[in-house]
Amino acid sequence: EPEVTQTPSHQVTQMGQEVILRCVPISNHLYFYWYRQILGQKVEFLVSFYNNEISEKSEIFDDQFSVERPDGSNFTLKIRSTKLEDSAMYFCASRFEAGGQTIQYFGAGTRLSVL
Amino acid sequence: SQELEQSPQSLIVQEGKNLTINCTSSKTLYGLYWYKQKYGEGLIFLMMLQKGGEEKSHEKITAKLDEKKQQSSLHITASQPSHAGIYLCGAIHAGGTSYGKLTFGQGTILTVHP
Repeated sequence: EPEVTQTPSHQVTQMGQEVILRCVPISNHLYFYWYRQILGQKVEFLVSFYNNEISEKSEIFDDQFSVERPDGSNFTLKIRSTKLEDSAMYFCASRFEAGGQTIQYFGAGTRLSVL
Repeated sequence: SQELEQSPQSLIVQEGKNLTINCTSSKTLYGLYWYKQKYGEGLIFLMMLQKGGEEKSHEKITAKLDEKKQQSSLHITASQPSHAGIYLCGAIHAGGTSYGKLTFGQGTILTVHP
């Protein structure tokens, strides 16, 4: 069964460093998302991406964040200069549509630890 | 106020017992989704509800949508240890963009004792 894959599963970085989180969405899905979950808190929407551009973003998604679909399969989230408060689980999702129903399928997540 | 409220926050049941988790939205729903998350892992899609009165079942899990109350319930019959985890409701609210961002509740932690 097709699935969303994310790498790495765990990333440890120093404050101020740049990180790139990678995702391979399910092929033939057209909408892609990043969410994050700070330990003990809700899953929060960061950004949606469609037709090679950002379609919607939250207040969290400031200038330190960027997304890219560099080729036909990968979808990346870059954090330019990480802060302690960026420590969280980051989830990638891609969207399936059929018969008027839309379903987002999530990857297993990347745990980002900023020291 | 929270856009999506789940109750209870946690639930401990004996194997074989039935249980219900509720999710109430403060805004009009376009779609309501149920996911299951094991601690520290990804979200596994369970069910999606769109129409008022809609009810869906998968194995021993049934979800219903009450459009008037803007509420959904998830019911597990004859719970098993494999049902343990965190159940999240997510919503696409009416009036939003067509890009479908999900807003999530805080989750319900389910423990099933053998």
